[in-house]
Amino acid sequence: GESVGLHLPTLSVQEGDNSIINCAYSNSASDYFIWYKQESGKGPQFIIDIRSNMDKRQGQRVTVLLNKTVKHLSLQIAATQPGDSAVYFCAESFGGGADGLTFGKGTHLIIQP
Amino acid sequence: DAGVIQSPRHEVTEMGQEVTLRCKPISGHNSLFWYRQTMMRGLELLIYFNNNVPIDDSGMPEDRFSAKMPNASFSTLKIQPSEPRDSAVYFCASRTGTTNEKLFFGSGTQLSVL
Repeated sequence: GESVGLHLPTLSVQEGDNSIINCAYSNSASDYFIWYKQESGKGPQFIIDIRSNMDKRQGQRVTVLLNKTVKHLSLQIAATQPGDSAVYFCAESFGGGADGLTFGKGTHLIIQP
Repeated sequence: DAGVIQSPRHEVTEMGQEVTLRCKPISGHNSLFWYRQTMMRGLELLIYFNNNVPIDDSGMPEDRFSAKMPNASFSTLKIQPSEPRDSAVYFCASRTGTTNEKLFFGSGTQLSVL
């Protein structure tokens, strides 16, 4: 889910379907990963995080998968609802995370009724 | 807790004017971050503080930008003089510790420099 210029990748799914948002991260030394949801006019909101010693973590209706071999992160949202429409950002940190998070450009998820 | 509080919510100013953005982190949080968001560059880290001390300001675009954190409950980001290319949404975020933990973001300040 990386963007080029002004255009965010867009994913459109039917309400009730599952969605998968992908993210390629850049630093093989990154040891902490996190997904944020941002609705229009609001700040990013935490969804779920995962550390590099894990490859899967589940939350309520969401699952994050980490593939360190190919530096890939994905967010699965089950049974999507209209309120899931937003821009989703992956972020990474490394070296203990003391430097904060480096964000990807985001993916726009649209839920079709 | 009220969350991270930013003010103003919107700021419209003319080129050359001084702009001051304000942030109140969540009580008890030890780290504070300033991010800028634009369509072209996404979310960029400008500067962050640990225990009120600036740690890394390498993301600050120019000397026109400065940030302070005089105490644990208040931080400012100042742009002087402002330019149209500074137009963006500026977010403040905080977290409890200084290592791998999620950041809590404020609602942002939408800055427009005419």
